[in-house]
Amino acid sequence: KNQVEQSPQSLIILEGKNCTLQCNYTVSPFSNLRWYKQDTGRGPVSLTIMTFSENTKSNGRYTATLDADTKQSSLHITASQLSDSASYICVVSSDSSYKLIFGSGTRLLVRP
Amino acid sequence: DGGITQSPKYLFRKEGQNVTLSCEQNLNHDAMYWYRQDPGQGLRLIYYSQIVNDFQKGDIAEGYSVSREKKESFPLTVTSAQKNPTAFYLCASQQGLGNIQYFGAGTRLSVL
Repeated sequence: KNQVEQSPQSLIILEGKNCTLQCNYTVSPFSNLRWYKQDTGRGPVSLTIMTFSENTKSNGRYTATLDADTKQSSLHITASQLSDSASYICVVSSDSSYKLIFGSGTRLLVRP
Repeated sequence: DGGITQSPKYLFRKEGQNVTLSCEQNLNHDAMYWYRQDPGQGLRLIYYSQIVNDFQKGDIAEGYSVSREKKESFPLTVTSAQKNPTAFYLCASQQGLGNIQYFGAGTRLSVL
């Protein structure tokens, strides 16, 4: 069964600190993996998208990694800001379908 | 201003009433999607459409209906058969397999 699991479910960190969010997937055939940021009450916004051959991709203070062998991805946030408080969703796309497989998200709260 | 427009932002439904949520995109994308998000939960796929005049059921299609008469429009009707319609509804579009999926700002539906 195609699944995407994220951990932790929620996380609280102090402003200025770094954090790493995890994503494990069992999707086949694999096409790409995406990380989205969703502010409360808003639509998700794409942060990164990585294919099988890409190990790392950055978008400002956000760096995503992908290990296609172990089927794991991480999203690292550097020097967190209050505006980073949001849900971060890992999404996997399959080559064979227009349907995306969504993780349930990690809710991050950055405190001053 | 390009993107996906959802309307209304807030919608209230009475018992036994059908309501329609609008989704319009000017990105010239072939594929469009409807998702439902319950508080603190991940996104669940209701319906999706790969091309005009064609659509497929997602994971939770019961109590919902859609149409795709034009490329830029994909309205979702929440019927009276949907007994628990209170949720945040997100529309998205994507051009081809494996590409970034863009989301609208969402419609919050509540039952009076």
